[in-house]
Amino acid sequence: GENVEQHPSTLSVQEGDSAVIKCTYSDSASNYFPWYKQELGKRPQLIIDIRSNVGEKKDQRIAVTLNKTAKHFSLHITETQPEDSAVYFCAASTLGGGADGLTFGKGTHLIIQP
Amino acid sequence: EAGVVQSPRYKIIEKKQPVAFWCNPISGHNTLYWYRQNLGQGPELLIRYENEEAVDDSQLPKDRFSAERLKGVDSTLKIQPAELGDSAVYLCASSARRTAFRETQYFGPGTRLLVL
Repeated sequence: GENVEQHPSTLSVQEGDSAVIKCTYSDSASNYFPWYKQELGKRPQLIIDIRSNVGEKKDQRIAVTLNKTAKHFSLHITETQPEDSAVYFCAASTLGGGADGLTFGKGTHLIIQP
Repeated sequence: EAGVVQSPRYKIIEKKQPVAFWCNPISGHNTLYWYRQNLGQGPELLIRYENEEAVDDSQLPKDRFSAERLKGVDSTLKIQPAELGDSAVYLCASSARRTAFRETQYFGPGTRLLVL
């Protein structure tokens, strides 16, 4: 089955700086890669996703890049703000395929230092 | 539009007791997922339903866990008997199928289970 590795486990950046979180996946059949943000005690919320037919997607301060050859994808947050502090999870699945529940990474605790 | 609803939000039970969690997905979402999230980890899929059919339950510990989605809408996940290691947050998610692809999975708030 799919295996998703996520790094780093903790990331501390100064407010206003950029943050980058990286994930790798093992199943070449995976074609959908969402990123979820989870605040303490709350539900995971989708912040951005990318499908395998594109290499990059951007939404305001958030962007995701995908390298299918290397099987890795990354989340980029620019101009970080205190409200960006949370745990971020990457995930992978095959949209429209058979077992397409999401396989999650272990999460990155992002800390924005004021 | 209401999101995914789960109840109860919290449950404390003693080991060997049964427990059940309920989920109401977003209206019109035919795919429903149950995930388990251990402390400090990402969610792990337990079971996926397409309408009322369980199409992927390979990660469900079937000796003590069961699930149902009788009318293809609400779902119940049960543990009997519960063990200490079952303490976790149980998340329900739903998604819609449009043409050949499924849309985004939306998560409920989860049920936080503590087994003593």
